[in-house]
Amino acid sequence: AIQLTQSPSSLSASVGDRVTITCRASQGIRGALAWYQQKPGKAPKLLIYDASSLESGVPSRFSGSGSGTDFTLTISSLQPEDFATYYCQQFNSYLLTFGGGTKVEIK
Amino acid sequence: QVQLQESGPGLVKPSETLSLTCTVSGVSISDYYWSWIRLPPGKGLEWIGYIYYSGSTNYNPSLKSRVTISVDTSKKQFSLKLSSVTAADTAVYYCARVREGDLDSWGQGTLVSVSS
Repeated sequence: AIQLTQSPSSLSASVGDRVTITCRASQGIRGALAWYQQKPGKAPKLLIYDASSLESGVPSRFSGSGSGTDFTLTISSLQPEDFATYYCQQFNSYLLTFGGGTKVEIK
Repeated sequence: QVQLQESGPGLVKPSETLSLTCTVSGVSISDYYWSWIRLPPGKGLEWIGYIYYSGSTNYNPSLKSRVTISVDTSKKQFSLKLSSVTAADTAVYYCARVREGDLDSWGQGTLVSVSS
């Protein structure tokens, strides 16, 4: 099964900071990657699909890039409502996999 | 607009079978794949499996021996059964729609605790 490794597992940042989260796949997955945001007590919310496509209604400060094995999620200017846990998820194979998550906390 | 709602017991005894149902509204259940995902306390998301309206399924290999997902198109529902549960199966369980491999609509989640 394809494994996804996210880094860092947690980070502290301030409002207005540029934040980058990486996701590495154990084998090539083309662009078959999605990013989610999850806040405590809430369901995950789809942010990015197909590695770089912004889901409808998601602010443009979120962007995704990458292909093959290395992917990034970037928040260009962190807002107070962005403090949450972020997950990548691959769908290259018939088996879906999530990364371990990155918790973004307030510095 | 698609809506999903999980339902089922919030407490299951060890060694018994966990059973949950997801009710879909706002969209035809026949047009998509449908998935179950869980979030154990203090851990990350774990994909459990998915089903198509035809009954075709795929499961997480780590859970495959204990998982059954089924669909009832007439009721617009799909269901999860997880057998021989232990405390490690305590989690918030979510149902979600599979779009093009991503999960674009989610239920609110339901907490299932495994305890005697």
